[in-house]
Amino acid sequence: EAGVAQSPRYKIIEKRQSVAFWCNPISGHATLYWYQQILGQGPKLLIQFQNNGVVDDSQLPKDRFSAERLKGVDSTLKIQPAKLEDSAVYLCASSQGTLAASTDTQYFGPGTRLTVL
Amino acid sequence: AQSVAQPEDQVNVAEGNPLTVKCTYSVSGNPYLFWYVQYPNRGLQFLLKYITGDNLVKGSYGFEAEFNKSQTSFHLKKPSALVSDSALYFCAVSLRGGKLIFGQGTELSVKP
Repeated sequence: EAGVAQSPRYKIIEKRQSVAFWCNPISGHATLYWYQQILGQGPKLLIQFQNNGVVDDSQLPKDRFSAERLKGVDSTLKIQPAKLEDSAVYLCASSQGTLAASTDTQYFGPGTRLTVL
Repeated sequence: AQSVAQPEDQVNVAEGNPLTVKCTYSVSGNPYLFWYVQYPNRGLQFLLKYITGDNLVKGSYGFEAEFNKSQTSFHLKKPSALVSDSALYFCAVSLRGGKLIFGQGTELSVKP
């Protein structure tokens, strides 16, 4: 079974530029998550999708971050404009359950390492 | 507030010795607890989870974890450490709806 795919793996941009990350979850997984992992910290949830609907985006800085999951499969996370403090690894995860159950296992992709100069 | 704490930033173990990586939690209701491992430049890899039932949970690569409700702990253990176990380990609690709250991580170093 193929895992969660993410691209690009690395991205370097200057502050105030825009950037987009792409995620393809495990086939058949209904729930998709985007996490931000700052160096030396655990991942923090940014947004959670159930199929193509948003379940939780309470921690997403909506003035600069946006995300979508068209057709309930792939997802894109965008930052515009980027700030220095956005430097982090952005992790995408997916889980199988259709009810976003708290017992479901989340499977993570390799992440995108973003450096903002 | 619901949270997870990993009290040790780093754990050093000699190869062949038992290892323990500590985790404590604070949640309302039944805790659903997870352990993940992260190798350099890789995503998080699932090791094991506790949902209900037996307090000793067995997972991948010989790891196990002991759930202790009275001490609100979920420590990760392995009877005999390998050099290849050296990595960053994260404990997490799952909230309603599936949101994971992670600890800050513990760096495990296994020396030959």
